[in-house]
Amino acid sequence: QVQLVQSGPEVKKPGASVKVSCKASGYTFSNHGISWVRQAPGQGLEWMGWITVNSGSSIYAQNFLGRVTLTADTSTSTVFLEMRSLTSDDTAIYYCARKPRTAAVFSDWGQGTLVTVSS
Amino acid sequence: DIQMTQSPSSLSASVGDRVTITCRASQDISDSLAWYQQKSEKAPKLLLSGSSRLESGVPSRFSGSGSGTEYSLTITSLQPEDFASYYCQQYFTIPLSFGGGTKVEI
Repeated sequence: QVQLVQSGPEVKKPGASVKVSCKASGYTFSNHGISWVRQAPGQGLEWMGWITVNSGSSIYAQNFLGRVTLTADTSTSTVFLEMRSLTSDDTAIYYCARKPRTAAVFSDWGQGTLVTVSS
Repeated sequence: DIQMTQSPSSLSASVGDRVTITCRASQDISDSLAWYQQKSEKAPKLLLSGSSRLESGVPSRFSGSGSGTEYSLTITSLQPEDFASYYCQQYFTIPLSFGGGTKVEI
């Protein structure tokens, strides 16, 4: 079955960077894009961007342009989210999610990674 | 960018009730709408896409309808496991966007 397993919780200071991983299994990795969605405490869902794994090309939401980089390692079926210049507003759970071929929805999700930004 | 407005933001219901959640898009999204269920501290789960297409394994008490800018999710005969938050999401255009969520409480 499809599984997306994310790296563990992170605690960072303001201004730092964080890199979160999402390891995929149970499907042909290169056939599906991966999106990242975040959820601040008690808040709703916010789409951050997605990566087309077979080409490595990415699309980012305007709020994250220039501050977030998505990469993929096809040899390990892993996608990475790197976010720079963290502030307390970036404290959230970060989810990776698989995009099916037919629509830009999120059919399978990782378990989430809590990133806490605090001085 | 397309804004998604969900209503209500929360509602109280009882087991067996019929519940309807509405999602309004700021422009026509041509049925490019999905619904997700999120239970506390868990990742969301895709329930429907294409505004009314039920995902495999999702109970038939969940249904979606609508067109243009107005869409709804209906749960007939609410079950204890349905108490959760629900989000709509448009995928008509980038950036993808979610509604603010509806919390269904007892």
